[in-house]
Amino acid sequence: EVHLVESGGGLVQPGGSLRLSCAASGFTFSNYWMTWVRQAPGKGLEWVANIKKHENEKYYVDSVKGRFTISRDNAKNSLHLQMNYLRAEDTAVYYCARADTRYVQYYLDSWGQGTLVTVSS
Amino acid sequence: DIQMTQSPSSLSASVGDRVTITCRASQSVISYLSWYQQKPGKAPKLLIFAASSLHYGVPSRFDGSGSGTDFTLTISSLQPEDFATYFCQQSYSTPWTFGQGTKVEVK
Repeated sequence: EVHLVESGGGLVQPGGSLRLSCAASGFTFSNYWMTWVRQAPGKGLEWVANIKKHENEKYYVDSVKGRFTISRDNAKNSLHLQMNYLRAEDTAVYYCARADTRYVQYYLDSWGQGTLVTVSS
Repeated sequence: DIQMTQSPSSLSASVGDRVTITCRASQSVISYLSWYQQKPGKAPKLLIFAASSLHYGVPSRFDGSGSGTDFTLTISSLQPEDFATYFCQQSYSTPWTFGQGTKVEVK
């Protein structure tokens, strides 16, 4: 069974940093793209970043480019999101998700339970 | 960026009703379209991928259709566990984008 467990969330001041982690199990981690999606309180879902299987390509939503870095450690089956220069608008539950593919298309078939990041002074 | 617009934003329905949610993309996403269900305090769950393919374990009362810019999620006979918020999402181009969500409430 696929299992994704996020950690690292918490309260941080504006301008601060936080590193989120996602521990993966139940599948061959290195065979899948991985994704971070966030959800501000009471709001909809926002895709944040993707990373390909072997870290050779990464993609970000414009609002986090230059501030967030997605990375992975295939030997440790872990996904990370380094978040710097945090802003109040980054406050959200952050989910890691597995991106499976079929018919050349990607879709998010497994999600973690989420970790809450609160940016406030 | 491709904008995804869902309608309606919310709807009230009864158990047994047929429910239809639409999702429109600002440009063609071919069939690179997924649907997710989310219940309060929980992570989203995949229902449909590639516009019309049912994810493993999802009941057959859920059906997806459409291509290009217009897509539909239909629940043929609403069950008590289906009261939730539904999101569409395109993966045709980055940034991947979600619709704003449709909340299905008890009538």
